[in-house]
Amino acid sequence: DAGVIQSPRHEVTEMGQEVTLRCKPISGHDYLFWYRQTMMRGLELLIYFNNNVPIDDSGMPEDRFSAKMPNASFSTLKIQPSEPRDSAVYFCASYSREVGGEQFFGPGTRLTVL
Amino acid sequence: DQQVKQNSPSLSVQEGRISILNCDYTNSMFDYFLWYKKYPAEGPTFLISISSIKDKNEDGRFTVFLNKSAKHLSLHIVPSQPGDSAVYFCAASALGNQFYFGTGTSLTVIP
Repeated sequence: DAGVIQSPRHEVTEMGQEVTLRCKPISGHDYLFWYRQTMMRGLELLIYFNNNVPIDDSGMPEDRFSAKMPNASFSTLKIQPSEPRDSAVYFCASYSREVGGEQFFGPGTRLTVL
Repeated sequence: DQQVKQNSPSLSVQEGRISILNCDYTNSMFDYFLWYKKYPAEGPTFLISISSIKDKNEDGRFTVFLNKSAKHLSLHIVPSQPGDSAVYFCAASALGNQFYFGTGTSLTVIP
């Protein structure tokens, strides 16, 4: 397996624009997590899915953020409209609860909002 | 509220010496603990874990210690190598549903 795939790796956009981050989890994993890395809060959980269903979105900062998982192999995190304070690295991770163990992280998307 | 805390943002150690990274947690329901290592421009990668039924787990140069009464775990790296320089995240979960991460400790191993 190629591991967790995220795209784009880097995104530079202007304030007010819509941003869509994409994630392909490891095949067979039933959990998918979206994190944001900041200096102050470290790896901050935004939302996670189990079997494509959102379980906990309490970490989503505000209504400008939304996430979907239309099928087991794809998820998106959308920010609309984007603001400079959204600039961060966003990670997607997947996990198999049946197998247990650890989450596997993607390489991240570095978002810069000007 | 941070349920997993890493109170040392950074740590510098001489090559060959021991590195000790610390982590505290507040939720007594956590039953599985992990350490991840992160290099710049990469995602975190799993390093070592420990179940709450154990108090020690060892893997080569890396050992994780768990003190449940103190709600504290630590990662020992012996001997430290320059390639160990990275950010280390502590994480915890309860029943494997959700993972809580600390803010990370940046380790620098000086040659």
